[in-house]
Amino acid sequence: EAEVAQSPRYKITEKSQAVAFWCDPISGHATLYWYRQILGQGPELLVQFQDESVVDDSQLPKDRFSAERLKGVDSTLKIQPAELGDSAMYLCASSLVGWDRQETQYFGPGTRLLVL
Amino acid sequence: AQSVTQLGSHVSVSEGALVLLRCNYSSSVPPYLFWYVQYPNQGLQLLLKYTSAATLVKGINGFEAEFKKSETSFHLTKPSAHMSDAAEYFCAVSDMDTGNQFYFGTGTSLTVIP
Repeated sequence: EAEVAQSPRYKITEKSQAVAFWCDPISGHATLYWYRQILGQGPELLVQFQDESVVDDSQLPKDRFSAERLKGVDSTLKIQPAELGDSAMYLCASSLVGWDRQETQYFGPGTRLLVL
Repeated sequence: AQSVTQLGSHVSVSEGALVLLRCNYSSSVPPYLFWYVQYPNQGLQLLLKYTSAATLVKGINGFEAEFKKSETSFHLTKPSAHMSDAAEYFCAVSDMDTGNQFYFGTGTSLTVIP
């Protein structure tokens, strides 16, 4: 069964350092999402891609976060510089069709980030 | 605006007892509703979804949920809890007004007591 892949699974970094997370969605899925999940809370959308284009990045802290999906397949989320409050689980999800359809989102295993 | 409220951040049941996890939603148009389960340090796994077909939805692992428009609810149930059901459960809503953006509740942690 196809799955969303994410790496690394765990990342420990010091504040002010740069970190990057990678996501490979299910093959053929046009829409890709990055979520942040703070411990004890539900996931919150950071950015949504339709193919290589950003559909929604209104909740992305653009002063330090960036995301790209250059070829419309895999994606990278970067934080520079990392802050203590960025410690969270970063989840990637993908869905088959476009953003204007109610399609199931399939989630990867997540990257657990700890900023010291 | 779309939102989800999960009543009870922690629920404990005995093994073999009924599981009931509550979810109420707010949406200005017909919603699509989802339940996901999350095991420690893992991603979210889809349990079931409601997309305006049958109001009673059956999912994996013996779970089911009933969409009640009059109550704006989508509660998750399982007749008999198993130890392996212990996890975090999230309800999510989306609708045509939000594209395919999901709004998640804050989650309910289910503990199963042997």
